[in-house]
Amino acid sequence: AQSVTQLDSQVPVFEEAPVELRCNYSSSVSVYLFWYVQYPNQGLQLLLKYLSGSTLVKGINGFEAEFNKSQTSFHLRKPSVHISDTAEYFCAVSVIYNQGGKLIFGQGTELSVKP
Amino acid sequence: DGGITQSPKYLFRKEGQNVTLSCEQNLNHDAMYWYRQDPGQGLRLIYYSQIVNDFQKGDIAEGYSVSREKKESFPLTVTSAQKNPTAFYLCASSISGIGAKNIQYFGAGTRLSVL
Repeated sequence: AQSVTQLDSQVPVFEEAPVELRCNYSSSVSVYLFWYVQYPNQGLQLLLKYLSGSTLVKGINGFEAEFNKSQTSFHLRKPSVHISDTAEYFCAVSVIYNQGGKLIFGQGTELSVKP
Repeated sequence: DGGITQSPKYLFRKEGQNVTLSCEQNLNHDAMYWYRQDPGQGLRLIYYSQIVNDFQKGDIAEGYSVSREKKESFPLTVTSAQKNPTAFYLCASSISGIGAKNIQYFGAGTRLSVL
């Protein structure tokens, strides 16, 4: 069965520092991978997605992620964070079946950017 | 603008009462989903529907019910059988069918509390 593990529940970082949020998945089939961001009391916003092709995926707000098939990882990175990046981040893998599908989410990583 | 509208934003339930959360989308998506979010537990799938007049149970369907009479609408009823309903509820939708990658888009959520 597919599963997603986000290795850090909380990541504190200073403004303008680089950050990496780690995500590992398990899947026996081809995968589609996603990162979502959630600001307090709001829904989830799609940050970026890996569907096929280049393993380095660029998203909104200066974030990027790298798909590593051999390590079954999809880590999210940003070279320089801002206070406004403070939010919860969710990694997800898509399970496709019978012309439909569903997402399996990780537990979330709370990114806290300090001045 | 196309999107997903959830209402109300806040909802209070009395003991023994059923309450219904609304989810409407104008993205022309076939598939719709309901998730429950609790602190530190990520998102858990309650129900999903790939097409009108059809829906399936997710991982935590007990105490909940849904209907899908229109493509645009997927209301969720939290019944009195759900003993711990306090949570943040998120609705999502996606394109369905052959080739779909299950990219889900989310509403802003409804926060349900018990009086």
